[in-house]
Amino acid sequence: QVQVVQSGAEVKKPGASVKVSCKASGYSFTSYYMHWVRQAPGQGLEWMGMINPSADITHYAQKFQGRVTMTRDTSTSTVYMELSSLKSEDTAVYYCAREIPNALNFDYWGQGTLVTVSS
Amino acid sequence: EIVLTQSPGTLSLSPGERATLSCRASQGVNSRCLTWYQQKPGQAPRLLIYGASTRATGIPDRFCGSGSGTDFTLTISRLEPEDFAVYYCQHYGSSGYTFGQGTKLEIK
Repeated sequence: QVQVVQSGAEVKKPGASVKVSCKASGYSFTSYYMHWVRQAPGQGLEWMGMINPSADITHYAQKFQGRVTMTRDTSTSTVYMELSSLKSEDTAVYYCAREIPNALNFDYWGQGTLVTVSS
Repeated sequence: EIVLTQSPGTLSLSPGERATLSCRASQGVNSRCLTWYQQKPGQAPRLLIYGASTRATGIPDRFCGSGSGTDFTLTISRLEPEDFAVYYCQHYGSSGYTFGQGTKLEIK
């Protein structure tokens, strides 16, 4: 069965970087896009960007351009999201979510990773 | 950038009642690009409806999506206890994906 499992919670200081992983199993890793969506405490959902694992092509939301990097490792079926220059406002749960190419919706989601930015 | 506005912010209903949730876009959108998710506390969102009206795999037929242009609706015909959650609409556009702010469906 399809599974998307994320790495554990992180605590970072302002100005640092964080790298969250998302390991996929139960399907052909390179046949689906992977997106990252975050949710600040008590707030709504915010799309950060996506990666096409097959072509290694990324597309980032303008808000995060220059601060986010999404990569993949096809040997382990894992995608990564690295966010730099962290601020307290980046405290959130970060989700990865799978998309069938061009389906325009996210059918499987990881369990979420809480990133806390605090001095 | 298209802005999605969901209403009401909170909807208080009882099990067995009918729920009507609205998602309004700031300009007309392609229905194919409109999606609904359900999120329960402490859980990841769950895909409910895509293409404005197609139920995702395993979604009960009491969930119904409709609408076009700027106005979209998620209707839950007879509320079950497990339906009380937050619902988000989502749109795909030229600059990527945007979400509405959510509607919280709570037990009255």
